[in-house]
Formats: sequence, structure tokens, C-alpha cells
Amino acid sequence: GQNIDQPTEMTATEGAIVQINCTYQTSGFNGLFWYQQHAGEAPTFLSYNVLDGLEEKGRFSSFLSRSKGYSYLLLKELQMKDSASYLCAASTNRDDKIIFGKGTRLHILP
Amino acid sequence: DVKVTQSSRYLVKRTGEKVFLECVQDMDHENMFWYRQDPGLGLRLIYFSYDVKMKEKGDIPEGYSVSREKKERFSLILESASTNQTSMYLCASSLNRQGTHGYTFGSGTRLTVV
Repeated sequence: GQNIDQPTEMTATEGAIVQINCTYQTSGFNGLFWYQQHAGEAPTFLSYNVLDGLEEKGRFSSFLSRSKGYSYLLLKELQMKDSASYLCAASTNRDDKIIFGKGTRLHILP
Repeated sequence: DVKVTQSSRYLVKRTGEKVFLECVQDMDHENMFWYRQDPGLGLRLIYFSYDVKMKEKGDIPEGYSVSREKKERFSLILESASTNQTSMYLCASSLNRQGTHGYTFGSGTRLTVV
């Protein structure tokens, strides 16, 4: 079957680092997305990993291990505006669909 | 920047009504998608389209239909609205079928069926 797991909620402190993990089990896996969604707003694209390894984009980095079916999103120097849900999603070659996880709600404390 | 515009931010409809949710994108993308998002269930794909006049069922198409008469417009139709269709509806478009450049989502329509 197709399945994506990520924690429901996490809490971190302003200025700190947080890692949001995602595991996936999908057939025909192509790559792994991360999206950010603020409450009441649309998801916005953060990253897409196809190859194993870490990709850095400013304060945000995303990691993929295809052999382990595992990804994480790393957020550094947390700011209050990073309070949002983070959606992990797998791209597959099965009808070219993208399968979304249920999202991790990240709370940032001052 | 790609813009995906959904016609209504909030809608309240009565049970049994026919409901149209409109979505327009301005970047000539061939691929468009309709999702619904519910607490604890995440984003679920209702229908998608890779070309004009083309439509494919997603994971939860029951009770819905779609129309893609023009490339830029993808409409979601609730044939006879029911209370279990109360949800946030999100339209998205992408440059390629796999969405490897990311999906661009509209701002969503929060539909309440009473």
C-alpha cells in the first residue's frame, strides 16, 4: 500500500533547531516533497528531493534516504513565523500521483 | 509567479444543492488538481486533469465531478451537496505531471454544507 507517516505535532523554541521526520512506503517512488502550510492558508512548496542526501536552502534543509524510505526537514534559527504545518509528500510514477502525509503541526515558543 | 485563483474563500450551501467550485490558473499549466483537506486526514485527491477535456478520478471521487473545458479553468462540482462534504477544498496546478517543480495551490475554499 501507499503510506506516509510523520508526527502529528512538535514544539520547539525560537532560535533553536528542529527536525521533522517522515517515513514513506510507496510503490514507484520518484521523489519527496516538503510543503509549509500556515493556518487557514494554502500549502507552499519548500523542497523536492530525488537523490539521497541533504539539500540546503537557507534556514531550511531537506534530507532523503531512498533505501530507508526516510526523509527529514531541518529548520534552523527558528522564528515565530515558522509556526505552521509541514507536509511530507511522495511523488510516484503510479499515475504520476503525489501522496501527502497528514502533516506535522509545529509550535514555536518564545 | 504562478497564480491559482479559487473563486470563493468561504461558501455555505444547503444539503442537496448543486455546488460549483471554480479554479483558474494563469501560467498555462496543463496539470490541475482538486484536493480536500480535513483535520486528521490530510490532503486527499478528488480529481485531476492533465489536459483540456481530460479528467481522472483521484482517491475519493464519489459525490464529485469535474469540468475542464479550457486549459486555465478546472471546476469541481458537487452534484448534490451533503454534510460530509463540509471541508476545505484546495485547487492546485503544476508544470509537469509529476509536479517536480512543486504544486502551486490556490488559497482554498472553505465549504460548509448545512
